[in-house]
Amino acid sequence: DVKVTQSSRYLVKRTGEKVFLECVQDMDHENMFWYRQDPGLGLRLIYFSYDVKMKEKGDIPEGYSVSREKKERFSLILESASTNQTSMYLCASSLRDRRGGYTFGSGTRLTVV
Amino acid sequence: SQQGEEDPQALSIQEGENATMNCSYKTSINNLQWYRQNSGRGLVHLILIRSNEREKHSGRLRVTLDTSKKSSSLLITASRAADTASYFCATDYSGNTPLVFGKGTRLSVIA
Repeated sequence: DVKVTQSSRYLVKRTGEKVFLECVQDMDHENMFWYRQDPGLGLRLIYFSYDVKMKEKGDIPEGYSVSREKKERFSLILESASTNQTSMYLCASSLRDRRGGYTFGSGTRLTVV
Repeated sequence: SQQGEEDPQALSIQEGENATMNCSYKTSINNLQWYRQNSGRGLVHLILIRSNEREKHSGRLRVTLDTSKKSSSLLITASRAADTASYFCATDYSGNTPLVFGKGTRLSVIA
């Protein structure tokens, strides 16, 4: 069964900590995406990548960075976590031509205290 | 923002009834997709309809697309309690930009 795996389902971090959210896909997809989901705001795109070592800013990149050193792995980094980054984080991947749509991971619910 | 808008925001129906959700968008699209999200989980791709298609079926799902009105609808027939979830439309505006998701419709199917 093909899938996107996010390393943690729930995470609690302290303000100011550096936080790594990991996402791995086993479908040989070229494209990978990080979204955050908040009540009333829907899904908002943080960063995306269309190839190894490539990254593009989404709609809300401030306070985040990403790393894609291998095709199957796309990491989201919160350089200095803040309480307004408490959210559900969703990773997704797709083929280059996006046929078949996006495959999502189960999400990481991050709480910053 | 190019974000699509789903309507209604929330819908509550009895098991066996049909559920209809609508999505409006702003500019020309390549395709429109519908996703489902169970509470606290990731989204699951349901169906994709291309801009040159008007209707598509998959099991109990029927999607229509009206490009002149820039709108789409998702119909779930003979709903079941297990259909309780949030449903999102996502628009593919061009070959090189990520999908843009709406805010979703929360569907509750009461047994």
